This record gives sequence, structure tokens and C-alpha cells, in this order.
Amino acid sequence: GAGVSQTPSNKVTEKGKYVELRCDPISGHTALYWYRQSLGQGPEFLIYFQGTGAADDSGLPNDRFFAVRPEGSVSTLKIQRTERGDSAVYLCASSPTGGNQPQHFGDGTRLSIL
Amino acid sequence: TQLLEQSPQFLSIQEGENLTVYCNSSSVFSSLQWYRQEPGEGPVLLVTVVTGGEVKKLKRLTFQFGDARKDSSLHITAAQPGDTGLYLCAGTMNRDDKIIFGKGTRLHILP
Repeated sequence: GAGVSQTPSNKVTEKGKYVELRCDPISGHTALYWYRQSLGQGPEFLIYFQGTGAADDSGLPNDRFFAVRPEGSVSTLKIQRTERGDSAVYLCASSPTGGNQPQHFGDGTRLSIL
Repeated sequence: TQLLEQSPQFLSIQEGENLTVYCNSSSVFSSLQWYRQEPGEGPVLLVTVVTGGEVKKLKRLTFQFGDARKDSSLHITAAQPGDTGLYLCAGTMNRDDKIIFGKGTRLHILP
């Protein structure tokens, strides 16, 4: 399809494990964003890529969280030593060049840490 | 501290009624966006407003950006059950900045 694709759609793992969440943005979009959304809340900004580089990673909660976008398209959000508080829906969005432009969201990965 | 405050948090009204939801801040935004999100899906953009005082209409939905670019409202006329969802406002302070979201207004329209 032509939209933003996130995999897996659901991930259940045990506390302490390592997880990787993948985002395939819309082809040609240079800006890519990761958000975390807890139940009943709006999306919380994590990190913003412009091309291959992280333009703003101020939303990453701690050093257990890391994201890469090595070729400027697909991005992977990596979480080490997962904790129960990491449970949330992780949303990815892309836009043509960032800024005020419309963001197109994927349907998210629902992460559950047992 | 929440930069964008949305009110009300929850709203349940009968089909056919009108409603307004609000998005307020003490900060100035270069643009504000409104999104609608349904369960299990990502937010979908409804509108972007960039000029103070701007009004945009999308069928039965009317969006307004405050003159000082610190607040916005969404008015729905003759609400329908299909309008049910989570309405999120989001803003950028500078043109190249990240987008900051409010917590949303959960709207339920009763048939």
C-alpha cells in the first residue's frame, strides 16, 4: 500500500527483553517521526528524523531507547531492557519534508511488557 | 506541563446537536493541526491552520485559529454517530520543529 506501514502490529514480551519496532514511511518522505501513545493520552513525541539523521531526539525518555534510519527510509525503534512502563502504542509518521506539512501516521505497534 | 490543553476531555451528546471543543496554550504556535483518531488506528489529519484568525470549514466541521495563535477551536454542526472518535490538536512552534500533541477530546455521538 501507499501508506505508512508499521510492524509488528502487536508485540508481547517479558520485562528485561530487547525489542525492535519497524516503520516503513511513505516513499519519498524525508521526515519521519516516532511517538508513544498511552491509553487515554495524545501521542508523545520521541524522535524526529530528517533523512538519515536524528534532527531532534529530545523526546526519548532515557538511554534504553534508540532509533535509526540508516538509508533515509525505513526506521527502527529499539528498546533495551524493557520495563512494564514501556507498554504503549508506538506510532510512526512521515511527511514530505517536515515542519508544518501534514503527517501521515501508521496504525502503530501495540507493545505489551509482561 | 502540557503545552496544549484540550477541553473537554470527554463529551457525549445526542445525534443532531452542535458542539465545540477547544485547544488552548499560553505559547504562540506557528501552526496548529487537528487530527481524528479511531481505536486501533493512527491519527488522521483533518486540517492545518497557520494564520491568526483563520477559519476553515470541512463539511460540518469549522476550525478556527485564535488571533494570537495561542488557541484553536473545532465546532461540529449537527453531529452524527460517524463523528465519534478522539480529536487531537497538535502544534508546531517554529516551522521546522517537531509537532506537539494535546491529550485529546474523546467524543461520543449517541444515535
